[in-house]
Amino acid sequence: GNSVTQMEGPVTLSEEAFLTINCTYTATGYPSLFWYVQYPGEGLQLLLKATKADDKGSNKGFEATYRKETTSFHLEKGSVQVSDSAVYFCALTPFGNEKLTFGTGTRLTIIP
Amino acid sequence: DTGVSQDPRHKITKRGQNVTFRCDPISEHNRLYWYRQTLGQGPEFLTYFQNEAQLEKSRLLSDRFSAERPKGSFSTLEIQRTEQGDSAMYLCASSFGQGWTEAFFGQGTRLTVV
Repeated sequence: GNSVTQMEGPVTLSEEAFLTINCTYTATGYPSLFWYVQYPGEGLQLLLKATKADDKGSNKGFEATYRKETTSFHLEKGSVQVSDSAVYFCALTPFGNEKLTFGTGTRLTIIP
Repeated sequence: DTGVSQDPRHKITKRGQNVTFRCDPISEHNRLYWYRQTLGQGPEFLTYFQNEAQLEKSRLLSDRFSAERPKGSFSTLEIQRTEQGDSAMYLCASSFGQGWTEAFFGQGTRLTVV
């Protein structure tokens, strides 16, 4: 079956630090990969996505590259801000299927 | 449009009682999804509607759970004879179109069974 493994949290960083949140997946075929973010008191929001190998998704300074050879989709940001504090979820959906499979989430806290 | 709306936001119920949650999707979104999220875990898919048709149900959805979308607009999720293990955040999402399109999530209904 399909599964997503995220690095265990929580993660605490100082403002302007470099961020990496690891995500690896197991899936049949060629899934689409996503990062969702949940800010305090809000619903899940799509942060970025990649639909095929070597695609790079980017948004709000965050990036993730679809690496088929390592089955990974690590989230990175060069300089985090306090406003990036949230819970981040890696997710996938098999091609042509809308059912999302999520990782367990990583809580990120940025300290000024 | 204010996005996906869920009601209530919080529900505390005694074990054995029935509860019903409502989801109002974004207007004209033809697809609607229910997920369940327990503490420290990611959301898990429960069921999916396209218009009024329920197209897929997870094995997580036991016989005590039923979901409807009678007119292809709002949806309800009912849990009968609640158990403590049903305590979770129930999330609704909606999307529009064919194939994969971005799903927009509501803020969820937090259920606590005591």
